[in-house]
Amino acid sequence: DVKVTQSSRYLVKRTGEKVFLECVQDMDHENMFWYRQDPGLGLRLIYFSYDVKMKEKGDIPEGYSVSREKKERFSLILESASTNQTSMYLCASSLGRAGTQETQYFGPGTRLLVL
Amino acid sequence: AQTVTQSQPEMSVQEAETVTLSCTYDTSESDYYLFWYKQPPSRQMILVIRQEAYKQQNATENRFSVNFQKAAKSFSLKISDSQLGDAAMYFCAYRVIQGAQKLVFGQGTRLTINP
Repeated sequence: DVKVTQSSRYLVKRTGEKVFLECVQDMDHENMFWYRQDPGLGLRLIYFSYDVKMKEKGDIPEGYSVSREKKERFSLILESASTNQTSMYLCASSLGRAGTQETQYFGPGTRLLVL
Repeated sequence: AQTVTQSQPEMSVQEAETVTLSCTYDTSESDYYLFWYKQPPSRQMILVIRQEAYKQQNATENRFSVNFQKAAKSFSLKISDSQLGDAAMYFCAYRVIQGAQKLVFGQGTRLTINP
């Protein structure tokens, strides 16, 4: 089974702090994604990566950055956390075969509270 | 831009009954994929069912089936013989076939199963 893990289930940070959310997948997937989940808005894509050191902006990249130094690990960085970044963050990965209906596999999520 | 709309924030059904969750989408593409994902309380999001737009036959997976109406851009999920374990948030999602493999999600529908 594909396993996607995230470093924390719950996180509480102060406004202005630098926050790192880590995601690791164990299936040698090419693609990795960071989504933000808010009530009434569903999931929105922040950033994704289709290869090591490659990244592309999603629909809501402002206030976030990402890092992918190794294939299995994709980090989401909040340079200076703000209260409007309080949310559930979901990481996902997929194999990376173009033109296929491949599945994205999700991690358990990190619920971040910024005070 | 592609959008996905789930107009039912909450639904409930009696155990063993059938329930249908609605989803509509907007796209100018002629070929794409559609998905239903399930997010149980405090558990990871998992794929329920998927449909290729070029296939006229509706996808089925055990008790789960879809009603795909391409002209109407509608993609509803039918759950037959509802079970307590079906209680979850359900998200409809869309993806283009080529290019970036990002998913566009609807707002979600919270399904409650009444015993």
